[in-house]
Amino acid sequence: GAVVSQHPSWVICKSGTSVKIECRSLDFQATTMFWYRQFPKQSLMLMATSNEGSKATYEQGVEKDKFLINHASLTLSTLTVTSAHPEDSSFYICSARDLRQGSSSYNEQFFGPGTRLTVL
Amino acid sequence: AQTVTQSQPEMSVQEAETVTLSCTYDTSESDYYLFWYKQPPSRQMILVIRQEAYKQQNATENRFSVNFQKAAKSFSLKISDSQLGDAAMYFCAYKGLRSGNEKLTFGTGTRLTIIP
Repeated sequence: GAVVSQHPSWVICKSGTSVKIECRSLDFQATTMFWYRQFPKQSLMLMATSNEGSKATYEQGVEKDKFLINHASLTLSTLTVTSAHPEDSSFYICSARDLRQGSSSYNEQFFGPGTRLTVL
Repeated sequence: AQTVTQSQPEMSVQEAETVTLSCTYDTSESDYYLFWYKQPPSRQMILVIRQEAYKQQNATENRFSVNFQKAAKSFSLKISDSQLGDAAMYFCAYKGLRSGNEKLTFGTGTRLTIIP
């Protein structure tokens, strides 16, 4: 199968601090990963597409300088919430695209378990 | 831009019965994928079923099947023999196939409750 992990699973931080969330594809290489945000009882909203070796592509309305994305390797993408504020409190989910040739799940997105961020 | 609409915020079904969740979408593309994802209380997104738009045959995965009506842009999910473990949020999602447009667009979700 294709497994995606996220770390940490939950984090509490003080307002004004920065928080880094990691997304890893454990058994496949992912040139493209996606970062979503989900508010309570709402749907997933795509924040940005993370591309290995190049800049992330942000969705309209998402602040690039606030949500820094780094796709450092073919198995790791990080999302850093800079100068976090209470309104940034949310559930952040990443997904990775399986591009293994011959895979039955080719081009399918696999989701991480999510990270709950609480900013006090 | 593509949109996905789920008009049923909540649904409930008696255990062992059948329930159908509705989804409609809007797109100008001719080729695309449609998905149903399940999000249980753990918040882990799980793929339930996938349909390629070019396939006329409706996808089936064990107790889960879809009714894909391309002309009507409708994509409903039928769950047969409902089980307690089926209780979750269900999201319908769309993905285009144009290069560089690999993102998923999600509907607002339907919360499914299973009544014992």
